[in-house]
Amino acid sequence: AQSVTQPDIHITVSEGASLELRCNYSYGATPYLFWYVQSPGQGLQLLLKYFSGDTLVQGIKGFEAEFKRSQSSFNLRKPSVHWSDAAEYFCAVGAGGTDKLIFGTGTRLQVFP
Amino acid sequence: NAGVTQTPKFRVLKTGQSMTLLCAQDMNHEYMYWYRQDPGMGLRLIHYSVGEGTTAKGEVPDGYNVSRLKKQNFLLGLESAAPSQTSVYFCASSVPLQGRRTGELFFGEGSRLTVL
Repeated sequence: AQSVTQPDIHITVSEGASLELRCNYSYGATPYLFWYVQSPGQGLQLLLKYFSGDTLVQGIKGFEAEFKRSQSSFNLRKPSVHWSDAAEYFCAVGAGGTDKLIFGTGTRLQVFP
Repeated sequence: NAGVTQTPKFRVLKTGQSMTLLCAQDMNHEYMYWYRQDPGMGLRLIHYSVGEGTTAKGEVPDGYNVSRLKKQNFLLGLESAAPSQTSVYFCASSVPLQGRRTGELFFGEGSRLTVL
């Protein structure tokens, strides 16, 4: 069965610092991969997605993620974090022939000025 | 364009009471989902629907029922609420891609349910 692991429960960075949030998935074939962001009290918003093609995908708000098949990873990155990026981030995986997404447990990002 | 709308946004129930959460989407999406979100556990799929009149169980379906009588609406019911069902519930919708797989999910703002 497919699964998603986000190893970091909580990450704290300084404003302006670079950011990398880890996501590892388990699935035999090529998955579809998503990153969502959730601000406090809000629903989830899509940051970016990978279906096929270029393994480096760009998203909204200056985020990018790289699909690495050999490492079963889809890590989210941002070169310079802003205080408004403080939120919870979820990685999700779907697969061909399935009609639902499986979410990781999330990483809470805290940004210090 | 409202997107995905959930009602109510907040509700407090006593153990054993019943209630229904309503999800409505105006994007003509085929697929709809109900997730629950609990601290440290991420989002877990309760039930989902791939079309009007069809429903299927997700990871944590026990204690919940759903109905999709109209394409735009997806109802989540709790017949006899328990404190373990205290959670934030999210509805989402999507369009299917080729090969019966789901694309991007569009989420509602959530419904916070407390069971005393």
